Amino acid sequence: AQSVTQLDSHVSVSEGTPVLLRCNYSSSYSPSLFWYVQHPNKGLQLLLKYTSAATLVKGINGFEAEFKKSETSFHLTKPSAHMSDAAEYFCVVIPGGGATNKLIFGTGTLLAVQP
Amino acid sequence: EAQVTQNPRYLITVTGKKLTVTCSQNMNHEYMSWYRQDPGLGLRQIYYSMNVEVTDKGDVPEGYKVSRKEKRNFPLILESPSPNQTSLYFCASSFQGRRETQYFGPGTRLLVL
Repeated sequence: AQSVTQLDSHVSVSEGTPVLLRCNYSSSYSPSLFWYVQHPNKGLQLLLKYTSAATLVKGINGFEAEFKKSETSFHLTKPSAHMSDAAEYFCVVIPGGGATNKLIFGTGTLLAVQP
Repeated sequence: EAQVTQNPRYLITVTGKKLTVTCSQNMNHEYMSWYRQDPGLGLRQIYYSMNVEVTDKGDVPEGYKVSRKEKRNFPLILESPSPNQTSLYFCASSFQGRRETQYFGPGTRLLVL
C-alpha cells in the first residue's frame, strides 16, 4: 500500500537555527511528492513539489527538500527558522502508476519556533 | 483571482439534520475532491471527481454524498450528520493528471451535536 510517514509529530527549534522535518514514503512506482504548510486557522499552502526532475527541490520561504530514492525519503529543510514558520507541515504523496490525483497525507508535523 | 471557495466556513448543527457544504473553483479544473482533517490523522479523502458527472469514493466515504453537475461546483452532502462527522473539511481542485498541484479551499469547520 502507498503511504507516507512523518517521523516527528512535534519539532521545536530556536529562531535562526536549522529546521529538519522528516518524511518517508512508500510507493511501488515513481511517486510525486509534496510538502504543504498549514498556518493556524488557515487553509493548506503548497511549499514545494517533486515530480521526477531535479532531486533537490526549492520551494517558497527558503524551504527545500531532497528526494532520496535509496532511502525513500523526502525531508524538508530550512537553514534558518523564522517565527513565521511556526505551523503544521504535511508531507504528501501521489502514488505512481495510476491516473488519479489522489493525495495521501502524512499525519503532520507541528513546528514550534522559540524566540 | 484564482481560488477555491467553500461555504459555510463554520457550522454547528444537530444529529440528523441534512446539510450541504458548497465548493466552487474558478480555474476550470477537471479534478475536485473533498478531504476531512482530524487531529493525528492528517487529511483523508472522502470523495473525488475527475470531471462533470464522474465521481468516486475516497478512503472515508461513509455518511457522505457528492454531486458534480457543473465543472466549477462540487458540493458535499451530509444526509444525516452524526457526531463522528465533526471535523474540518477541505475542498481541493486541480487539472487532471497525477502530478498537478492541488489548490485548497479555506476549510469548513463542522460541529455535529
